[in-house]
Amino acid sequence: GAVVSQHPSRVICKSGTSVKIECRSLDFQATTMFWYRQFPKQSLMLMATSNEGSKATYEQGVEKDKFLINHASLTLSTLTVTSAHPEDSSFYICSAILLGTQYFGPGTRLTVL
Amino acid sequence: AQRVTQPEKLLSVFKGAPVELKCNYSYSGSPELFWYVQYSRQRLQLLLRHISRESIKGFTADLNKGETSFHLKKPFAQEEDSAMYYCALSSGGTSYGKLTFGQGTILTVHP
Repeated sequence: GAVVSQHPSRVICKSGTSVKIECRSLDFQATTMFWYRQFPKQSLMLMATSNEGSKATYEQGVEKDKFLINHASLTLSTLTVTSAHPEDSSFYICSAILLGTQYFGPGTRLTVL
Repeated sequence: AQRVTQPEKLLSVFKGAPVELKCNYSYSGSPELFWYVQYSRQRLQLLLRHISRESIKGFTADLNKGETSFHLKKPFAQEEDSAMYYCALSSGGTSYGKLTFGQGTILTVHP
């Protein structure tokens, strides 16, 4: 089956630093990937759509200058949280579509001190 | 704006009992509805989608456009069904793949 991986699985950083999270489709190519955010005990919220070779599209209320998305290849999308603050602490999940089915990564736990 | 509502945060049943997880949605067009499941310490995975009209692991879900509902049902719950269940909606078209999730329901099946 299709597998989506994320790296790292968890990261702790200091306030003001930037953190990069990778999302890879391991056994298929994905022209489109999605980034979600999940707060504790809450549902997933779509942040942005990552498009290979073009700019990401962001959902309303998501700061594109804060959450930089790069989709440089058909198997890799990266999310960089710039100048992270404690309120950015969350669980970030990516997904990719193969044959109409969306496959999710295991998520990345970001903690900003 | 589209919205998905799962009114039950927690649902407990005994093994062998029927189970129904409720999902209501609001969307002006023709949505595509999904149920996703997340077992303990595992990633989110697709359980079923309304266009497939199939039964997966004994679960079924019927889209009721009149009631804007997509409830998930299983006649005889098993302990291994214990998990978090999310109902999700995709509006399709230019928003293909974009999912709006409900709040989720934690199902616990007791032995």
